[in-house]
Amino acid sequence: TQLLEQSPQFLSIQEGENLTVYCNSSSVFSSLQWYRQEPGEGPVLLVTVVTGGEVKKLKRLTFQFGDARKDSSLHITAAQPGDTGLYLCAGRTGGFKTIFGAGTRLFVKA
Amino acid sequence: KAGVTQTPRYLIKTRGQQVTLSCSPISGHRSVSWYQQTPGQGLQFLFEYFSETQRNKGNFPGRFSGRQFSNSRSEMNVSTLELGDSALYLCASSLGGVSWTGSGIRSYEQYFGPGTRLTVT
Repeated sequence: TQLLEQSPQFLSIQEGENLTVYCNSSSVFSSLQWYRQEPGEGPVLLVTVVTGGEVKKLKRLTFQFGDARKDSSLHITAAQPGDTGLYLCAGRTGGFKTIFGAGTRLFVKA
Repeated sequence: KAGVTQTPRYLIKTRGQQVTLSCSPISGHRSVSWYQQTPGQGLQFLFEYFSETQRNKGNFPGRFSGRQFSNSRSEMNVSTLELGDSALYLCASSLGGVSWTGSGIRSYEQYFGPGTRLTVT
């Protein structure tokens, strides 16, 4: 069974702090996506990483794909209350299957 | 370009009833996947349809079924509802094919709809 372990499960921080969320697997993925979900809504795609070692930046968010394409991280610099939400990583296999992590619930206090 | 739409957004049913949920993918997308999301289990994959054929299936009982039409719209049906079926049901659309990258084959990412909140009483 393919698993994608996401950590931490829950994070509560003050506005202005930095944080990192990790996704790890023993499986190799053809691509990996990060999503953000707000209560009662569907996940919104933030980024897709494809190449091993790839780094993508989206304003204060930095995404990295591991060299072996088995793990990924999301780093948020100077978190703001608007960053609050559930962050999900999802690994896409060559067989069109998507493996989701359990999610990291982030709460940023003003 | 319009996003993924799901109807209805909210639904209340009683045990034993059946329900049909609908999903319209992004124009040009041929793959539709369905997921069940609950606080305890997270996102669980139900099934995926591509060009009217079920391409992948998760580990859900036969009470959960789906289909896809020639215009790529998809429906999901749950028969004999149980209390445990209460969840947010999410539909995701994708181009469905693959592309070549420097690292090999890549399958396209999924875009989610807003979900249907099903409550079974």
